[in-house]
Amino acid sequence: KNQVEQSPQSLIILEGKNCTLQCNYTVSPFSNLRWYKQDTGRGPVSLTIMTFSENTKSNGRYTATLDADTKQSSLHITASQLSDSASYICVVSGSGGSYIPTFGRGTSLIVHP
Amino acid sequence: DTEVTQTPKHLVMGMTNKKSLKCEQHMGHRAMYWYKQKAKKPPELMFVYSYEKLSINESVPSRFSPECPNSSLLNLHLHALQPEDSALYLCASSQVALVWRTDSLYSNQPQHFGDGTRLSIL
Repeated sequence: KNQVEQSPQSLIILEGKNCTLQCNYTVSPFSNLRWYKQDTGRGPVSLTIMTFSENTKSNGRYTATLDADTKQSSLHITASQLSDSASYICVVSGSGGSYIPTFGRGTSLIVHP
Repeated sequence: DTEVTQTPKHLVMGMTNKKSLKCEQHMGHRAMYWYKQKAKKPPELMFVYSYEKLSINESVPSRFSPECPNSSLLNLHLHALQPEDSALYLCASSQVALVWRTDSLYSNQPQHFGDGTRLSIL
């Protein structure tokens, strides 16, 4: 069964600090991995998308890494801001069959001033 | 502002009411999706439309009836809902990279989500 596990479940950091969120998956064969940011009461917003051949991708202060061999991804947030407080969701899609992405349960990040 | 527009933002309805949720996008995307999201849980896929045809129905009860009248619009008709149907209903769209088989979709394109309709069933 395809699974996506995220850790930690929740995280509290001080403004200006860096943090790293983890995503492990069992989806196979692998197609792509996406990180989304979801603010409370809003829809998810795409941060990065990586395919098999990509091992790092940046979007401003967000940097995602992918190790397709170990089936792990991380999202690193640099110099956190109060507006980074949100849920971060890892979504993995397979290939060769019907398109049904597998969502992780998300990491809830709170940035304190 | 999101490029996928959902209306209404909030909806309160009784179990005997009939209502509809609406979703609109003008990005030229030919794949559109309905998700249901409960509090502190990830979105759960309900329906997928590809080229205005229903491609995937994730065993959703018949009290939810999707409709895709054209390539820009996606509706979700609601009738005789239950209190447990209270949730945030998200619409998303994406490009369709290619059709793998006639009954399957393969897409590595990102999904663009609307802000959802928060539905409460009394």
